[in-house]
Amino acid sequence: KQEVTQIPAALSVPEGENLVLNCSFTDSAIYNLQWFRQDPGKGLTSLLLIQSSQREQTSGRLNASLDKSSGRSTLYIAASQPGDSATYLCAVTPAAGNKLTFGGGTRVLVKP
Amino acid sequence: ETGVTQTPRHLVMGMTNKKSLKCEQHLGHNAMYWYKQSAKKPLELMFVYSLEERVENNSVPSRFSPECPNSSHLFLHLHTLQPEDSALYLCASSQDTGTAHYEQYFGPGTRLTVT
Repeated sequence: KQEVTQIPAALSVPEGENLVLNCSFTDSAIYNLQWFRQDPGKGLTSLLLIQSSQREQTSGRLNASLDKSSGRSTLYIAASQPGDSATYLCAVTPAAGNKLTFGGGTRVLVKP
Repeated sequence: ETGVTQTPRHLVMGMTNKKSLKCEQHLGHNAMYWYKQSAKKPLELMFVYSLEERVENNSVPSRFSPECPNSSHLFLHLHTLQPEDSALYLCASSQDTGTAHYEQYFGPGTRLTVT
């Protein structure tokens, strides 16, 4: 059974500092990995999707890496801003099927 | 309306009440999903529908009853709930299910409180 873990559970940084969020998964037989953002009490917004054959994906200040063999992904957010404060979730899709397995999330606070 | 919408956004109900959550997707997708997000627990998949047929039921108690009358609408009927069922219920849709990946698009959720 796939398990996804995100450490730390919460993170507080001053504005301008780079953010590093970690995600690990136990079964490397994945189709892809996604990073989502969730604002308090709201739904999920997809940030980046990395296919299992890719090593990284970039979008603006966001960069996500994937090391499938070691079961790890890292989301980097450069030059953090207070508007980046949210919970960040990673989720993996298995090699067969479309069932997402989510991590518990990392709650980020960027202080002005 | 665009994307995935959910109503109501907030719901408070007693344990003896019967209520329904509604989800509508305006993306022309064939698959829809219900997820539960409790405090301090990862998002859990509850049900998956593909072309109005339930393709997955993730060991959800019978007090939760899904209904998918067409590919654009998904309901979650609630009855005799317990306080521990209080959570954010998220709906999602994707082009389809199956072996090829289809990105899931999420609605804003319904915050349910059971008193």
